Amino acid sequence: DTGVSQDPRHKITKRGQNVTFRCDPISEHNRLYWYRQTLGQGPEFLTYFQNEAQLEKSRLLSDRFSAERPKGSFSTLEIQRTEQGDSAMYLCASSSFGTGEYEQYFGPGTRLTVT
Amino acid sequence: SQQGEEDPQALSIQEGENATMNCSYKTSINNLQWYRQNSGRGLVHLILIRSNEREKHSGRLRVTLDTSKKSSSLLITASRAADTASYFCATDLSGGYQKVTFGTGTKLQVIP
Repeated sequence: DTGVSQDPRHKITKRGQNVTFRCDPISEHNRLYWYRQTLGQGPEFLTYFQNEAQLEKSRLLSDRFSAERPKGSFSTLEIQRTEQGDSAMYLCASSSFGTGEYEQYFGPGTRLTVT
Repeated sequence: SQQGEEDPQALSIQEGENATMNCSYKTSINNLQWYRQNSGRGLVHLILIRSNEREKHSGRLRVTLDTSKKSSSLLITASRAADTASYFCATDLSGGYQKVTFGTGTKLQVIP
């Protein structure tokens, strides 16, 4: 396994358009997390899944954001009607919950620019 | 919102010197983790310290935790140019459910 992968790595879109990002976690990991990071800040939690169940969603996540993990493997994060304030790096991470391992493994991120 | 506040925000040292960065947090934690982020390797987990531990070592890293002061420090000894990165503390407030909240980060520059 080569780690967590994210696609695309960069996305430029016009305000008002919809975008979708994909995350492929490490295959044996049951937890998957989405974060958003803006310049000079730490990652901010958006949402996380255990298998296919979405356990928590941050108040940062407006109704324009939706995330899915349909078969408990890969996940998608969709942003509808993008706004300039959505410009950020979107990070995905995975971990193995219940094994005593706490480390989260991060993907390279998807950098979103809304023009 | 950010739970942890790292101090200093930026640090510049010469190669071979030690680097110390601090993290303060606001509420009780289950554990505290340190992560490193650079452009080459993204965000990488460095070390975890549990709330009942006071000090932990891993290679050139030493982490301390003072739960009475709600603070932690990360010491990197004998720094190398490759240590240049941003360092974040991440606190698990969820009772061990692995949902962590990241701090604002310390940007470390190691000058060769």
